[in-house]
Amino acid sequence: DAKTTQPPSMDCAEGRAANLPCNHSTISGNEYVYWYRQIHSQGPQYIIHGLKNNETNEMASLIITEDRKSSTLILPHATLRDTAVYYCIVRGGIQGAQKLVFGQGTRLTINP
Amino acid sequence: GAGVSQSPRYKVAKRGQDVALRCDPISGHVSLFWYQQALGQGPEFLTYFQNEAQLDKSGLPSDRFFAERPEGSVSTLKIQRTQQEDSAVYLCASSPWGGAKTEAFFGQGTRLTVV
Repeated sequence: DAKTTQPPSMDCAEGRAANLPCNHSTISGNEYVYWYRQIHSQGPQYIIHGLKNNETNEMASLIITEDRKSSTLILPHATLRDTAVYYCIVRGGIQGAQKLVFGQGTRLTINP
Repeated sequence: GAGVSQSPRYKVAKRGQDVALRCDPISGHVSLFWYQQALGQGPEFLTYFQNEAQLDKSGLPSDRFFAERPEGSVSTLKIQRTQQEDSAVYLCASSPWGGAKTEAFFGQGTRLTVV
């Protein structure tokens, strides 16, 4: 599985958009970009995933560059409850090679 | 319930004891994963099942760790002769079918403390 690089921490003001970057320069053509977050003392929560097109759901938007070497997770109107560790994960499409490989993630703090 | 259920939520074991951790995946989910998360770290992959078949156990740290899913639904992670370094949160996840294009849903985890 391709590795990802994320900043260790970020701050964002409540009500503003939080933009979390992720580099995955060794991603291969059949690998998906996944984002999960983990709020203290809870299991990881799925946010969004994509292959090459930008994606949007009720939680967030995922912007993937055309060369697929990086992506950005956007939380459009951050709230205090969005404070969590956010993990960017590249996940293989080969049957049996579908485990999620977590890195250290980005600790996002939303400030009032 | 609608989500992945793990039990117990908390377990304290004396060093050398055997423990068994249970995971009830979302009904009908084919894939099941176990992860270990040490304090302050991201989850580390342990093992993966597709139905009852254990397709990947490359992350199990030693032969003291054993996982099973005999009927393709409930799974048990067993740790024999627990050591202090086994203290961690053990997470279970399930997804509807094989392949990387469907998300995995995680349980709340079991926090194991070995004293």
